[in-house]
Amino acid sequence: ELKVEQNPLFLSMQEGKNYTIYCNYSTTSDRLYWYRQDPGKSLESLFVLLSNGAVKQEGRLMASLDTKARLSTLHITAAVHDLSATYFCAVDISKETSGSRLTFGEGTQLTVNP
Amino acid sequence: NAGVTQTPKFRILKIGQSMTLQCTQDMNHNYMYWYRQDPGMGLKLIYYSVGAGITDKGEVPNGYNVSRSTTEDFPLRLELAAPSQTSVYFCASRGPTRNQPQHFGDGTRLSIL
Repeated sequence: ELKVEQNPLFLSMQEGKNYTIYCNYSTTSDRLYWYRQDPGKSLESLFVLLSNGAVKQEGRLMASLDTKARLSTLHITAAVHDLSATYFCAVDISKETSGSRLTFGEGTQLTVNP
Repeated sequence: NAGVTQTPKFRILKIGQSMTLQCTQDMNHNYMYWYRQDPGMGLKLIYYSVGAGITDKGEVPNGYNVSRSTTEDFPLRLELAAPSQTSVYFCASRGPTRNQPQHFGDGTRLSIL
């Protein structure tokens, strides 16, 4: 059974600081997704990481994937209040023809304080 | 472009009642999914479909049923509602390749009392 663990589950940080969220998973996979969820809202896709060594950046967020270590990171640079949200990683171990079935981590609730 | 539309947004059911959560998408996606999200938790897959007429169980299918008669619609049926089914339900769809993310609806908040 695939297990996806995020670390930390709760993160309170000051504006302007840097931090990293970790996503570990237990079974080989070459596809990992990061989503953002604001309170009471739906999930918004942030990044799709497709292979070992993949790195993607959007604004103050950068995501990377190490398939050998079964680890993805979401790095936050110079945090601002607007980044406050819950961040989920999701791993896809399904076959190409079977429609990606995602297993989600528990989420990291990020609060950025002034 | 509406994307993935779920109805209703909120619903309160009594134990033992039944209901159907509606999901429709206008992106011509073959792949559709139903998830539930319990408070403070990640999403768990209930059922999914790879195209009209084809459905399969996910991680937590017990107490639910689905059908997929058209590409656009993927309703989720709750029979004999139980308090354990109190949750937020999300429908999602995805394009033809695994390189694309799943697109989520706004969710249905369901309470069973």
